[in-house]
Amino acid sequence: QKEVEQDPGPLSVPEGAIVSLNCTYSNSAFQYFMWYRQYSRKGPELLMYTYSSGNKEDGRFTAQVDKSSKYISLFIRDSQPSDSATYLCAMKTSYDKVIFGPGTSLSVIP
Amino acid sequence: EAQVTQNPRYLITVTGKKLTVTCSQNMNHEYMSWYRQDPGLGLRQIYYSMNVEVTDKGDVPEGYKVSRKEKRNFPLILESPSPNQTSLYFCASSLSVGDLNTGELFFGEGSRLTVL
Repeated sequence: QKEVEQDPGPLSVPEGAIVSLNCTYSNSAFQYFMWYRQYSRKGPELLMYTYSSGNKEDGRFTAQVDKSSKYISLFIRDSQPSDSATYLCAMKTSYDKVIFGPGTSLSVIP
Repeated sequence: EAQVTQNPRYLITVTGKKLTVTCSQNMNHEYMSWYRQDPGLGLRQIYYSMNVEVTDKGDVPEGYKVSRKEKRNFPLILESPSPNQTSLYFCASSLSVGDLNTGELFFGEGSRLTVL
C-alpha cells in the first residue's frame, strides 16, 4: 500500500461547479497536511496548509483533515477555468520529509 | 524576485553521457532538495541538503549525485544516465528544516530530461 493515495483523474467539471479532491494515507504519525497546485509546465506551489485535524478556509478553497479516517480533502467552490491544474496532496510528520500524493488533474470547462 | 532557477529546462541525451542539472535559489534558504516526477508516482525525493556541505539520500538516490558547496546552489549530477532516468526533475528549497513543518517548499520550473 502506498503511503499516500490520490485518484489521478482526470477530473473535468463545468465552470462554477464545486470540486472535491481527496487523499487517503496510511501513516497515523502525519500531522502536517498540504495541498500544492501545479500548472502545466510549472513547478508545484503551496496552496493550503493545515496542522492536525479540522478545516481551513481561504477564499474559494477549503481544506479538511480527518485524522481518524486518515482522509484529507480540498474543496473548490465556484470553480474557474484558471483552477485547471494538477493538485498534489502532501503530508509529513514533525520530523520527517514531505510525502506527496501522485496528484489529481483537474480541468474546469468554461 | 524570489525564485528557484533550474537549468537546462529541457535536455535530450544518450545513455552514459554525464550531465549536470543546476539549481540556484536567491532566498538564502538552508534546505534544498531534488525530486523526480513520473506519471502515477508523484514527486519522489532524490537527495536533500540541510545546509552547506550537508547532504543525504532521499527515496530514489541510485544513479544520482549532489553537492552543496554554496548555500544558493545544489546541482544534480547524473554520472552515467540511463533511460530509466528519463523524467521531470524539480529542485526545491525551504527557509529552514523547521519551516518544512508548514510544508512550504519553493519549487523551480522543472527540467525535463530524456535519456535515449
